[in-house]
Formats: sequence, structure tokens, C-alpha cells
Amino acid sequence: QVQLVQSGVEVKKPGASVKVSCKASGYTFTTFGISWVRQAPGQGLEWIGWISTYNGDTSYVQKLQGRVTMTTDTSTSTAYMELRSLRSDDTAVYYCARDHLYPKPNFDYWGQGSLVTVSS
Amino acid sequence: DIQLTQSPSSLSASVGDRVTITCRASHSISDYLNWYQQKPEKAPKLLIYATSNLQSGVPSRFSGSGSGTDFTLTISSLQPEDFATYYCQQSYSTPYSFGQGTKLEIK
Repeated sequence: QVQLVQSGVEVKKPGASVKVSCKASGYTFTTFGISWVRQAPGQGLEWIGWISTYNGDTSYVQKLQGRVTMTTDTSTSTAYMELRSLRSDDTAVYYCARDHLYPKPNFDYWGQGSLVTVSS
Repeated sequence: DIQLTQSPSSLSASVGDRVTITCRASHSISDYLNWYQQKPEKAPKLLIYATSNLQSGVPSRFSGSGSGTDFTLTISSLQPEDFATYYCQQSYSTPYSFGQGTKLEIK
């Protein structure tokens, strides 16, 4: 069965960096992209970017350009999302989701979420 | 960027009720519209993709319709497990975006 298993809770100070992992299983990793979505406490969902697991192409939301980097390791079927220069408003649960392109793009499987807390 | 506006933001209903949630896009997105259900402390779950297609395993009381800028999610007969927050999401163009959510509560 398809599973996306994410890394655990992170507590960081403002200005630090965090790298969240998302290990996929149950399907061929390189046939579906991975999107990352975050949810601040008590708030809605925010798409922050996508990576092609086939060729590494990326697309990021403009507000995070320059601070976010998404990568993959196809040998371990793992996707990573690194966020730098953390601020308090980056505090959120970060989800990875499988990007199913057919018939129209949708997120059909999700990781369990990784809580990132930014606090001095 | 495409903005999605859901209405209502919250809704109280009873088991057995028929409920409709709407999602309006700021630009035409054809049928590139998905719906998700999220329960507290859980990841979102895909319910409907490409406007009207039921994801595998999702009960048939859920349905979706619309095109262009106006979309609806309908639950034909609410069950206790349906009380949750619902989000629409457009996949027409990046940055992909979500509606602000509709919280469905028990009356």
C-alpha cells in the first residue's frame, strides 16, 4: 500500500534551518511528483511547492523563494524540504503529498505531517 | 495567482441532512478542482478530484459538480463521521491554492 512517512517534530530558533523528510513506499517513486503543503496552527492549508521525482524540476510559492529548497533521493525514495532563515510565522505542520497527475493534478496520498515550531 | 473562496466558512447540520459547500475561483480553472476532508490532528484526505470524480473508497454520498469558476461539494445524507473541515483546491496553475476551509459541525 502507498505510504508517505515523514520525519518527526522539530523545534528551531529564529534564523535556523530545518529539513523535513518524506519517505515513500508502495509505488514507483519516480512516477509521481511530491508537493509540500503547510498548515499554521488553527489555519488553513497552504501549498508551498512541488518537485518532480523524475528529473528534479521544482516550483515554489513566490513568498518562500530563496528560503526553500526541495530535493529527492531516488535511491531511498525520499523527498526533502529544507526551509532556511526560519521565522515565527513558519511555525506549522508540514505535509508531503503525492502529486497524481491523471486526469488532473491532485494530492491522493499524504504524509502524517511534521510539526515545525520556531521559537526563541 | 488564483484565489479560491469557500462558503460558508462554517456550517451546523444534523445527521441525515443534505449539505452543500461552494467554492468560487477568481479565474476560470476549467475542471481542475479537488476537494479534501480534514479531521482534527490528521492529514487531509482526497474526496473528489477533477471536479466530480469520487476518489476510491470514498462513500457515494459525496459528490462534486461545477466548471469554470463555480463549484460545489454535496453530501447527500450526513453521517457522524462527516463532521470535519472541507477544503477545495485548484490544480489549474501553480501556485496551487486552497480555499480557506468550511468547518462542518454537529447541530
